[in-house]
Amino acid sequence: QVQLQESGPGLVKPSETLSLTCTVSGGSISSYYWNWIRQPPGKGLEWIGYIYYSGSTDYNPSLNSRVTISLDTSKNQFSLRLTSVTAADTAVYYCARGHSYGANWFDPWGQGTLVTVSS
Amino acid sequence: DIQMTQSPSSLSASVGDRVTITCRASQGISNYLAWFQQKPGKAPKSLIYAASSLQSGVPLKFSGSGSGTDFTLTISSLQPEDFATYYCQQYNSYPLTFGGGTKVEIK
Repeated sequence: QVQLQESGPGLVKPSETLSLTCTVSGGSISSYYWNWIRQPPGKGLEWIGYIYYSGSTDYNPSLNSRVTISLDTSKNQFSLRLTSVTAADTAVYYCARGHSYGANWFDPWGQGTLVTVSS
Repeated sequence: DIQMTQSPSSLSASVGDRVTITCRASQGISNYLAWFQQKPGKAPKSLIYAASSLQSGVPLKFSGSGSGTDFTLTISSLQPEDFATYYCQQYNSYPLTFGGGTKVEIK
């Protein structure tokens, strides 16, 4: 049973960089598509981007210039980096597995981690 | 981007009711649609993929249908554990997008 767990700082200052890691257990990261999704408090879901185990990535154009997703297969982890954050980036951040490029629906999900952007 | 519009945004229903939620895509997405259930403070949980395929372990009271631009999620007999927010997601093209959610509340 594959499980995902997000980790990282819960508080980030405006203009700084948000960094989160997702640890995959119960299965290898060397397959599938690995996604980040976020949800502002009380609002809906927004897809941030994915990384494939080969290292290829795709990002939501709404965040494209600020987002980097990377992979560490030796640790079975993938990471999110979001630069120049503002209060609008305050959200619960989820990592989730996607099944393939053409079937990138999400299962399972991590439990989520709240990141607040505030000085 | 493909816009996903869910209706209604919220509904009140009683235990035992049959509930239907609609999701409409701004352009055709074949059957590349998934449904998720989210309870307060929890991560979304996958219910259905490919518009009508039930995720392993999901009760048969959940069903999905549709193709092209119009899709539905039906709960055949609402139970207390089904009160939650439901989201659709298209994976026909990137960027991947979600509907705004439908909150199912107790009447």
